[in-house]
Amino acid sequence: KAGVTQTPRYLIKTRGQQVTLSCSPISGHRSVSWYQQTPGQGLQFLFEYFSETQRNKGNFPGRFSGRQFSNSRSEMNVSTLELGDSALYLCASSFSSLGDTQYFGPGTRLTVL
Amino acid sequence: GQQLNQSPQSMFIQEGEDVSMNCTSSSIFNTWLWYKQDPGEGPVLLIALYKAGELTSNGRLTAQFGITRKDSFLNISASIPSDVGIYFCAGRGGSQGNLIFGKGTKLSVKP
Repeated sequence: KAGVTQTPRYLIKTRGQQVTLSCSPISGHRSVSWYQQTPGQGLQFLFEYFSETQRNKGNFPGRFSGRQFSNSRSEMNVSTLELGDSALYLCASSFSSLGDTQYFGPGTRLTVL
Repeated sequence: GQQLNQSPQSMFIQEGEDVSMNCTSSSIFNTWLWYKQDPGEGPVLLIALYKAGELTSNGRLTAQFGITRKDSFLNISASIPSDVGIYFCAGRGGSQGNLIFGKGTKLSVKP
């Protein structure tokens, strides 16, 4: 069974631009969660999607948004990028809910210049 | 909000030694998970714990869910060079709550 895949693996953007990251969950998993990982703050929860609906949200500004498609694939969008948005963005999938064990993808390394 | 304290922050050990790390929470958790992350990769699940007092092993790794439900520990026996990486604990307070992660323990193993 293939694991969680994320594209692209690396991305360089400049301040003010927007970016879209993609995540394909493990086959059969319907829940997708997104996390931001930085050296200073560690792993922080962004949001969770299940059946195309956002079910849970962390404490991030509205510039961070996401969506989920009918095939459970998910995208995350960050608008008006700031230098502090540079981070590793991780996607995790689980079978049905946040209560299930989550399996992580390799992440997308975003650098904002 | 809920906080997780993970210690130690880093460890430098000799190959063959045993390792112990732990996490404590300011509130009760229903689930404890331990992950390992290699550079440039996402965290990989090592052990999942769902019941207070539960002791679970995965090869040379053993983890326990504390009786108070506010702590968990991970032991690695007879460490080898490939154990190098960052180990994270994560906890969840309710069945629908999001995971809270510790800041990680960076393990270095000298051959």
